[in-house]
Amino acid sequence: DVKVTQSSRYLVKRTGEKVFLECVQDMDHENMFWYRQDPGLGLRLIYFSYDVKMKEKGDIPEGYSVSREKKERFSLILESASTNQTSMYLCASSLELYEQYFGPGTRLTVT
Amino acid sequence: GDSVTQMEGPVTLSEEAFLTINCTYTATGYPSLFWYVQYPGEGLQLLLKATKADDKGSNKGFEATYRKETTSFHLEKGSVQVSDSAVYFCALHSYSGAGSYQLTFGKGTKLSVIP
Repeated sequence: DVKVTQSSRYLVKRTGEKVFLECVQDMDHENMFWYRQDPGLGLRLIYFSYDVKMKEKGDIPEGYSVSREKKERFSLILESASTNQTSMYLCASSLELYEQYFGPGTRLTVT
Repeated sequence: GDSVTQMEGPVTLSEEAFLTINCTYTATGYPSLFWYVQYPGEGLQLLLKATKADDKGSNKGFEATYRKETTSFHLEKGSVQVSDSAVYFCALHSYSGAGSYQLTFGKGTKLSVIP
C-alpha cells in the first residue's frame, strides 16, 4: 500500500525558532511536494523536488527552504518561524506526472 | 497563470440527496483534471481524474466529465451518504516547463451530510 508519513501530526513552536518538518515516502517516487493548507485559500505549493538534491520553488517559497538528500525523504525547513506560518502542512509524492499521494499533514502552531 | 474556481461551501445535504459541486478552470493547453477528497483528520486522496476532453472520471459513485467547451469539471453523486462528509478539491495539472509537474488546486468545498 502507498504510504507517505510525516514526522508529527501536531507541533507548537515559538517565534524565531528553526523548525524541521520531515516527510518520508516508501514508494520510490521521484517527485515530492510541500504544500500549506489554510482556510479559504486551499492548498498552495511551497516547494517541490523531482530528484535527489533537486528543488524548485512553488508559489509561496518565501520564509521556507527544503532539503532532499535521499530519494525517500523531503524536509521542509522554517529558518525562523513566524506567526504567519501557523498552518497545516501537507507533503505529497508522485511517480507519474499527475497522481499525488498525500501524507496526513502536520498542524504547526507558532506562538 | 492557471487557476481553478470551485463553488464556495459549506454545503449541507440530507442523506440520499443529489450532489453537485461546480468547478471551472483557466489554463493554457490541455490540462488533466482531478477531484481530491480530504476526510476529517486525514490527507488528500485522489477521488477521480480525466485526462482529455469528454472523458468521464468515476469512483465510489462520484462522476465528473471534462467539458472543454465550458472549461468545467463538475462533481456529481446521485445519492450521498453520511460517510461522504469531507472537503472536496478540484485540481488541474499542466506542464509549466523545466521538469515542473504541478497541480493547481481550488479552495475546497466542505460537504456535510446529515442523516
